[in-house]
Amino acid sequence: GESVGLHLPTLSVQEGDNSIINCAYSNSASDYFIWYKQESGKGPQFIIDIRSNMDKRQGQRVTVLLNKTVKHLSLQIAATQPGDSAVYFCAENIGGSQGNLIFGKGTKLSVKP
Amino acid sequence: NAGVTQTPKFQVLKTGQSMTLQCAQDMNHEYMSWYRQDPGMGLRLIHYSVGAGITDQGEVPNGYNVSRSTTEDFPLRLLSAAPSQTSVYFCASKPRRGPYEQYFGPGTRLTVT
Repeated sequence: GESVGLHLPTLSVQEGDNSIINCAYSNSASDYFIWYKQESGKGPQFIIDIRSNMDKRQGQRVTVLLNKTVKHLSLQIAATQPGDSAVYFCAENIGGSQGNLIFGKGTKLSVKP
Repeated sequence: NAGVTQTPKFQVLKTGQSMTLQCAQDMNHEYMSWYRQDPGMGLRLIHYSVGAGITDQGEVPNGYNVSRSTTEDFPLRLLSAAPSQTSVYFCASKPRRGPYEQYFGPGTRLTVT
């Protein structure tokens, strides 16, 4: 079946290092991808999105890369800070006109001071 | 703007009881949705609405009812609570149909004993 998954369930990095969180998707019809950050006890918070006609998109300290050939999505966080500690979810829109999202299971990022 | 608000924040029910989880948004968004999040898992879509008077089922609709009488409100009803419905529930909204960022509420943590 169609699914969105993550290669690593947990990731521990040193403060100041760069973080890379990966996501695999299986639906070639997906036309929109989004990364959310969820801190403990809170709702998901938008980080960055990318449409399928793009390979890369940059925000403030974050970059999303999309490789449609291998159906892979990654989130890069530059100069990781303790405040970046959270669970990160990728989600995809599988092409439906409503724009419903399918979420992956999440990666927990821990930043060591 | 308050964004997406949810009440209550916490709720404990006994098996068989009914209750309504409230969700409201003040951004004049046409699209609203309900997700549940279980430990170690991503968010799964329960029901969604693309406008007042229009609702549809998501991935896991069984045991839940919704209605959308106004643009602002999208309540989720549990008619006869079961322990399997113990979860954290998130409401979200976005401007319209199609692939766009969804804005999430803070969540309701529900325990069914």
